[in-house]
Amino acid sequence: QVQLVQSGAEVRKPGASVKVSCKASGYTFSNYYLHWVRQAPGQGLEWMGIVSPSGANTYYAQKFQGRVTMTSDTSTATIYMELSSLRSEDTAVYYCARDGGRYQPHNWFDPWGQGTLVTVSS
Amino acid sequence: DIVMTQSPDSLIVSLGERATINCKSSQSVLSSSNNKNYLAWYQQKPGQPPKLLIYWASTRESGVPDRFSGSGSGTDFTLTINSLLAEDVAVYYCQQYYSTPSLTFGQGTKLEIK
Repeated sequence: QVQLVQSGAEVRKPGASVKVSCKASGYTFSNYYLHWVRQAPGQGLEWMGIVSPSGANTYYAQKFQGRVTMTSDTSTATIYMELSSLRSEDTAVYYCARDGGRYQPHNWFDPWGQGTLVTVSS
Repeated sequence: DIVMTQSPDSLIVSLGERATINCKSSQSVLSSSNNKNYLAWYQQKPGQPPKLLIYWASTRESGVPDRFSGSGSGTDFTLTINSLLAEDVAVYYCQQYYSTPSLTFGQGTKLEIK
């Protein structure tokens, strides 16, 4: 079955960077785009961006442009999301999610990874 | 960005009854080129990632019980859950994918059992 398995929880100080991974299995990795979505504690969902399976194409939400980098490693079917200049407001669970469309993004999300808690605290 | 507004923020419904959640977009998410509404619904149970329920406003994802249905068009949408079960306790989110790549969610509706 399709699975997205994310890396473990991270704690960072303000101003630092964090890199979260998401390993895909159970499907042909090259056929689907992947997204990153975050959720602050007790809050709603916020879309961060999308990466093509090759990593050649990325689109970031305007809010995160300049601070986020999304990459892909096809050899391991793993994508990465790096967020820099962290501040306390970046404390959240970060999810990867596969796009609902094969070959071309449809821009809904199914399935989702289990989530990675990133805590930013001095 | 398209703003998605859900109502109510929380909902308490008895077992076996019907729950209705509304979602309104700040602009139409209906495409004139294919006559499809670019609207999805998700269910998030406590401590779990969200799960896709419905896309294209009314197409149920494979494996989702037919107690869940989506309706609406343009700017106004509804998620209906019939014959409510205890397992349906969750937060429900709508999401528009009309305005790409600026994808946006509603604030969520918390469903509880009476």
